[in-house]
Amino acid sequence: QQQVKQSPQSLIVQKGGISIINCAYENTAFDYFPWYQQFPGKGPALLIAIRPDVSEKKEGRFTISFNKSAKQFSLHIMDSQPGDSATYFCAASNIMNYGGSQGNLIFGKGTKLSVKP
Amino acid sequence: KAGVTQTPRYLIKTRGQQVTLSCSPISGHRSVSWYQQTPGQGLQFLFEYFSETQRNKGNFPGRFSGRQFSNSRSEMNVSTLELGDSALYLCASTQGSGGSYNEQFFGPGTRLTVL
Repeated sequence: QQQVKQSPQSLIVQKGGISIINCAYENTAFDYFPWYQQFPGKGPALLIAIRPDVSEKKEGRFTISFNKSAKQFSLHIMDSQPGDSATYFCAASNIMNYGGSQGNLIFGKGTKLSVKP
Repeated sequence: KAGVTQTPRYLIKTRGQQVTLSCSPISGHRSVSWYQQTPGQGLQFLFEYFSETQRNKGNFPGRFSGRQFSNSRSEMNVSTLELGDSALYLCASTQGSGGSYNEQFFGPGTRLTVL
């Protein structure tokens, strides 16, 4: 019930291409879906996040698509660059049930993205 | 504004020992969460503290504990270390206000190796 399944585990994309990472969740009480980017030796950093009342959110080259009925959401990276090479994590949380806490994020297992020049 | 700081960055311990890790949140942030990151299990939530009180707890044994001080700084303690406790321990802070989607900022982590 608490799992977030992420795919693919690794992804190789040519510079300028589109990177697509998918996540699926089970708990319909989740109400916050962030994506994090992590470089080696660093902690995860928030990229973009979406709430279930929106089907799509775009920030620069990064877009989240959200399908509430299918319980799936995905990250699209347009015009992928070598500097985007990192590990990406999707996550989900039930903020309202935890009194507004964002602490209990459930993470996917991560996708290692490599963008080839 | 300074980010989340964690000390020490690297730690080597032996089985059976105990360890204390420290986290200083971003100034003004009142919520601190701790996560364990391993290659096999990924990122797993340990616990969250808000205003010196544990607000949420993940599914970890009682050997893992934490606390938060009045200045929002937090420590986590692992007693009777096991080989499987080797991991990157991440601390994250948010403003912590209820009912809002405040961003969670992560520190660089403490790499714990248990021999």
